[in-house]
Amino acid sequence: SAVISQKPSRDICQRGTSLTIQCQVDSQVTMMFWYRQQPGQSLTLIATANQGSEATYESGFVIDKFPISRPNLTFSTLTVSNMSPEDSSIYLCSVEPTGGMADTQYFGPGTRLTVL
Amino acid sequence: AQSVTQLDSQVPVFEEAPVELRCNYSSSVSVYLFWYVQYPNQGLQLLLKYLSGSTLVKGINGFEAEFNKSQTSFHLRKPSVHISDTAEYFCAVSSFSGGYNKLIFGAGTRLAVHP
Repeated sequence: SAVISQKPSRDICQRGTSLTIQCQVDSQVTMMFWYRQQPGQSLTLIATANQGSEATYESGFVIDKFPISRPNLTFSTLTVSNMSPEDSSIYLCSVEPTGGMADTQYFGPGTRLTVL
Repeated sequence: AQSVTQLDSQVPVFEEAPVELRCNYSSSVSVYLFWYVQYPNQGLQLLLKYLSGSTLVKGINGFEAEFNKSQTSFHLRKPSVHISDTAEYFCAVSSFSGGYNKLIFGAGTRLAVHP
C-alpha cells in the first residue's frame, strides 16, 4: 500500500477564487488520480495524472476548470478554478503503486471544500 | 460501458447481527472488483478485492465477499457487525482502458449499526 497525505484537509472559499490541493505519496507511483465526491454522492473520476505527461480528463471535466500538475513520481496538485457553490465537494487523490499490484488504488484522506 | 449498482442506499442493523451489502455490476470483459469503506470525515479504505482465483474473498475487519460471475454480483457480508462498522461502503469495478485501470464506483450503501 501507500501512505497518502492531502493539503489542505478542508477549506472555505469565496466564489470566483481558486484553490490548489496538494497530494503527497510516501513512495514513487506511476498513476495518480483525482476524484470528486459531491455531498451525499459517490466518487467521480476527474482526471488521471502520469508524471511527465498531460493529465487525461474524464467526460464533463476540463483542464481550464481543473488544471493538474504532476511534477514528479510522489506529488500532484489539483486546482479548482473560478469556484462556485456547485464545486463544494470532497476532493480525493488516489494512487496505483508502481511495481505493486497495478490494479488497486489507495486513497488519500480527502480535502473538504466549501464554496460560499 | 461498465456500471455498478448497489441495491441498498441504507442498511440499518443491530449490533452483532449479520449483514449483507449487495452489489451488481455490468461488464462485457473481465473485471477486478473492490469494496471500499469510508468512515465519517475520512478517505476511502480498501476492504477487499477480487482479481482472480477463489470466488470467496476475505478482507479486513471480518468482512468477506463472494464473486458470482453468472449473477454478476459481488455482495459483501459480515457475520456479526459492531458499532464501529457504521460507515459508507462503496463497491467498485476496475477495467483496463486507455493504458490504466479505471475505477467506477457504485452509489454507496450507508451501514448504520444500532446498539
